[in-house]
Amino acid sequence: QLQLQESGPGLVKPSETLSLTCTVSGDSISSSSYCWGWVRRPPGKGLEWIGNIFDSGATYYNPSLKSRVTISADRSKSQFSLTLNSVSAADTAVYYCVRELRSHPLHYMDVWGKGTTVTVSS
Amino acid sequence: EIVMTQSPATLSVSPGERATLSCRASQTITSSSLAWYQQKLGQAPRLLIYGASTRATGIPVRFSGSGSGTEFALTISSLQSEDVAVYYCQQYNYWPLTFGGGTKVDIK
Repeated sequence: QLQLQESGPGLVKPSETLSLTCTVSGDSISSSSYCWGWVRRPPGKGLEWIGNIFDSGATYYNPSLKSRVTISADRSKSQFSLTLNSVSAADTAVYYCVRELRSHPLHYMDVWGKGTTVTVSS
Repeated sequence: EIVMTQSPATLSVSPGERATLSCRASQTITSSSLAWYQQKLGQAPRLLIYGASTRATGIPVRFSGSGSGTEFALTISSLQSEDVAVYYCQQYNYWPLTFGGGTKVDIK
């Protein structure tokens, strides 16, 4: 059974870098049928798509975060990662890693990790 | 960016009654590329509906999706206590992928 598990620091200081890793078990992250992404939910707000990475290594990012975001993958470890630079309190959120099913024309999220809470505070 | 607007923000329904949630897109969504998710308190979101009207694996038949163009709906035909949750719609017709702000469903 496919499982996604987020890991990383729960507290990050303002202006520093947020780094999270998602470990995938039960499936390969090399399938062309899927890509792998990140979604977050700030407290009291709705869901926000951050970006994704394809089996080719290509990435798509939300323009609202594009200048600060990098998503990468280590297929040998079945992991993909999120890096968000220059964080502020507005980046405080629950971060979810997701499997995106490549549908038509784009993707929806068919499997979600349990989420990890990241707080930005000094 | 496509803005998804959900209404109402909160919906209180008696057990066994019908709940209808709305989702409106700021531009036409083609190919019925609209999904619905359920998020219970303290849990990750779960895929309910994709393609505007196709139930995901294991989703009870009381959940149904409908709509096209810019207007979509999620209907729970007979609300159960376990359906208390926040429901989100998501369009997958345009980059970036975007979600609605959510509708909270609770028991009256």
